Amino acid sequence: GAGVSQSPSNKVTEKGKDVELRCDPISGHTALYWYRQSLGQGLEFLIYFQGNSAPDKSGLPSDRFSAERTGGSVSTLTIQRTQQEDSAVYLCASSSQRDRAGTDTQYFGPGTRLTVL
Amino acid sequence: AQSVSQHNHHVILSEAASLELGCNYSYGGTVNLFWYVQYPGQHLQLLLKYFSGDPLVKGIKGFEAEFIKSKFSFNLRKPSVQWSDTAEYFCAVNAAGGYNKLIFGAGTRLAVHP
Repeated sequence: GAGVSQSPSNKVTEKGKDVELRCDPISGHTALYWYRQSLGQGLEFLIYFQGNSAPDKSGLPSDRFSAERTGGSVSTLTIQRTQQEDSAVYLCASSSQRDRAGTDTQYFGPGTRLTVL
Repeated sequence: AQSVSQHNHHVILSEAASLELGCNYSYGGTVNLFWYVQYPGQHLQLLLKYFSGDPLVKGIKGFEAEFIKSKFSFNLRKPSVQWSDTAEYFCAVNAAGGYNKLIFGAGTRLAVHP
């Protein structure tokens, strides 16, 4: 596709359930990022994948959060035992990572709006 | 730790007014600086970015930003806003040299009235 896609667009779940959020990056982009946008917290970095390197997980708020990136393309963010404070819009971004200087533009998807009841 | 501060949370302007949105960052090393915009119902998209060279950067839709290293600032400007500029604007920074995660400011909601 032409841009980053995410699914589902909306997810409503009950407290304590597990959820999986999916991201399809732009074809050929080696770097993939997850961010969270919530009221009062703005945009927060969660996790970063670059090629075959170990991911930067420094932004994950708790061990209930995990993410995988299979085959260097699609990524899944999993939240276990969801809590109400997990309610937010989860954004995925990708970049071509042509250099290591951090200057590449990150292209964002439309996000998944997660509501935990 | 890096942080980004956007001074105005909400800005209301009339069409043709000039715009300046403040952004200050906290980081001791070399940084890359970005402004992203989110129009209603749309994705975050890049307005402009600075990583080296001329500190006055021009972006899409007539926006520009000036990097002032001594002030740790990267303010966004537009001489004459339009109703279509109504959006939320985010300043972001990452550390130059391979540490790529973006640290965002809290955002500024701009409403332009016709």
